[in-house]
Amino acid sequence: DIVMTQSPDSLALSLGERATINCKSSQSVLSSSNNQNYLSWYQHKPGQPPKLLIYWASARESGVPDRFSGSGSGTEFTLTISSLQAEDVAVYYCQQYYAIPWTFGQGTKVEIK
Amino acid sequence: EVHLVESGGGLVQPGGSLRLSCAASGFPFSSYWMTWVRQAPGKGLEWVANIKLDGTEIYYVDSVKGRFTISRNNAETSLYLHMNSLRADDTAVYYCARDRPGASLDYWGQGTLVTVSS
Repeated sequence: DIVMTQSPDSLALSLGERATINCKSSQSVLSSSNNQNYLSWYQHKPGQPPKLLIYWASARESGVPDRFSGSGSGTEFTLTISSLQAEDVAVYYCQQYYAIPWTFGQGTKVEIK
Repeated sequence: EVHLVESGGGLVQPGGSLRLSCAASGFPFSSYWMTWVRQAPGKGLEWVANIKLDGTEIYYVDSVKGRFTISRNNAETSLYLHMNSLRADDTAVYYCARDRPGASLDYWGQGTLVTVSS
């Protein structure tokens, strides 16, 4: 199984600050057939279902604010929130869909300082 | 608008069975793979199983193989998860989600809580 490891486990930042969440996979999730990374990011708020933010490592889902961006390739990925807003308080998960079983990172909790 | 509504959760004793349902609407159900994901209390997300458009390909996480069965009824636009031999560590909120090709899980239901306890 591909193990997904996120860092940090939690972070607390002031409004307007940049948030950076890292995700590392135990093996590459880059497909040689289409040169795409099978890596997505989700935002999960209490009492709500997870929401897809980013797919293919860097493609922003429709309707997602442009302060959210994804980067990276192969085994190392980053989700960046360029200017943290109050509504961004949530747990963020990376997920690989390159190989079965699909696996998620353990989650990163983002709070306002 | 895409809607996914889970039902069937509840309290069940260890060793018992439960069937979860997910009613889908607002999209061509038979054109999408569908997935179940769960979240145990205080834990992260765990992919459980998925099923191809016509049900001819099915995959499970190892921890539920032989106990859970995913199925679908395209005529009724419904997804199911039959859970047998339930254990305390199956306690979780179970979400159904739509699998958009290349994008992973783009729509999720609100989830249904399964509690396995005596």
